[in-house]
Amino acid sequence: GQNIDQPTEMTATEGAIVQINCTYQTSGFNGLFWYQQHAGEAPTFLSYNVLDGLEEKGRFSSFLSRSKGYSYLLLKELQMKDSASYLCAVRDSGGSYIPTFGRGTSLIVHP
Amino acid sequence: DAGVTQSPTHLIKTRGQHVTLRCSPISGHKSVSWYQQVLGQGPQFIFQYYEKEERGRGNFPDRFSARQFPNYSSELNVNALLLGDSALYLCASSLVGVIGGIHGNTIYFGEGSWLTVV
Repeated sequence: GQNIDQPTEMTATEGAIVQINCTYQTSGFNGLFWYQQHAGEAPTFLSYNVLDGLEEKGRFSSFLSRSKGYSYLLLKELQMKDSASYLCAVRDSGGSYIPTFGRGTSLIVHP
Repeated sequence: DAGVTQSPTHLIKTRGQHVTLRCSPISGHKSVSWYQQVLGQGPQFIFQYYEKEERGRGNFPDRFSARQFPNYSSELNVNALLLGDSALYLCASSLVGVIGGIHGNTIYFGEGSWLTVV
């Protein structure tokens, strides 16, 4: 089975930087995903990490440490539209490629 | 190209009734998976289909069933609806259904079907 843990809620100021952490315990590992979900909408894909290190994509970056079972999503130059839930999802190496999702971190960006 | 499309977008059913939700994957995608998301939780995996065969099943009762058609579209059926089935039902598609595919087998979600059981 898998256990994925991320903070329930975070707040930050417009223009600032915020880091959303995700820790996981899994039997085998085959990739970690981050999704963004605005209220009432479907999740949208942000990033995919399978090797250790930092993946940068514009204002968003995602980091992975497989030995520590740890990832973070870094959001820079926060905008009001970044207020959303951020979902961490992990795929194990058990034969199915289906990722398991955490409960999500609700990020509130205020002026 | 159109993304993942789902129908209906919203529906209200009564306890004990049956519901069918439909999904069309992104063109060229052969794998479809279904998730249930209740308020405040992450999506919970229900089923995965690849090349019209069931490849994975989550921890849901037998009231939940699904199938995939030759054109790779899919249906999720739920029988004997309970109040607790009220949720957002998400369909996701990906290029392939097994480990080793390109793009890390990233799954892309549709807009979802909001089901309310009263």
